[in-house]
Amino acid sequence: EVQLVESGGGLVQPGGSLRLSCAASGFTFSSNDMTWVRQAPGKGLEWFSAISASGGSTYYANSVKGRFTISRDNSKNTLYLQMNSLKAEDTAVYYCAKGRRPIDYWGQGTLVTVSS
Amino acid sequence: DIQMTQSPSSLSASVGDRVTITCRASQGINNYLAWFQQKPGKAPKSLIYAASSLQSGVPSKFSGSGSGTDFTLTISSLQPEDFATYYCQQYNNYPLTFGGGTKVEIK
Repeated sequence: EVQLVESGGGLVQPGGSLRLSCAASGFTFSSNDMTWVRQAPGKGLEWFSAISASGGSTYYANSVKGRFTISRDNSKNTLYLQMNSLKAEDTAVYYCAKGRRPIDYWGQGTLVTVSS
Repeated sequence: DIQMTQSPSSLSASVGDRVTITCRASQGINNYLAWFQQKPGKAPKSLIYAASSLQSGVPSKFSGSGSGTDFTLTISSLQPEDFATYYCQQYNNYPLTFGGGTKVEIK
């Protein structure tokens, strides 16, 4: 059974940093592209980052480019998201997802709140 | 960026109804379209990819069609567990983009 478990969310001040993790199991992590999607409170889904299976290719939406970094450790079956220079508009539930084009499985999400 | 427009934004339907949701892309995306279902407070679930292929384990009451710019998701006989919000997503061009969602409510 595919399992994706996000962690690392919480309350952070504007301008601060946070690192999210997504622990994967139930599939061959190193053979699969991965994606991050977020959802602001009461809003729709927003794709913002993805990474190839090897980690050699990364993709970002303009809204996070230069502030967020996606990475992975295939030896630990873990996906990461380093978030810097956080803004109030980054407040959202952050989902990791298996696949890139397309997504096939989703994690349960972790809430990030950017507020002073 | 490719804009994805879903219609309607919400609908009310009864158990047993046939429901169709439309998704339109601002430019051609071949058949690189996915559909997702999200229930309140839960993570999305993948339903369909490549416009018409069912993800593993998704019941056949869900079907998708379309190519180019116009796509549809059909639920053949609405059941209580199908009341949710449905999103389309194009994965032809970066940035990948979602539609605004269609909320399916009980009449």
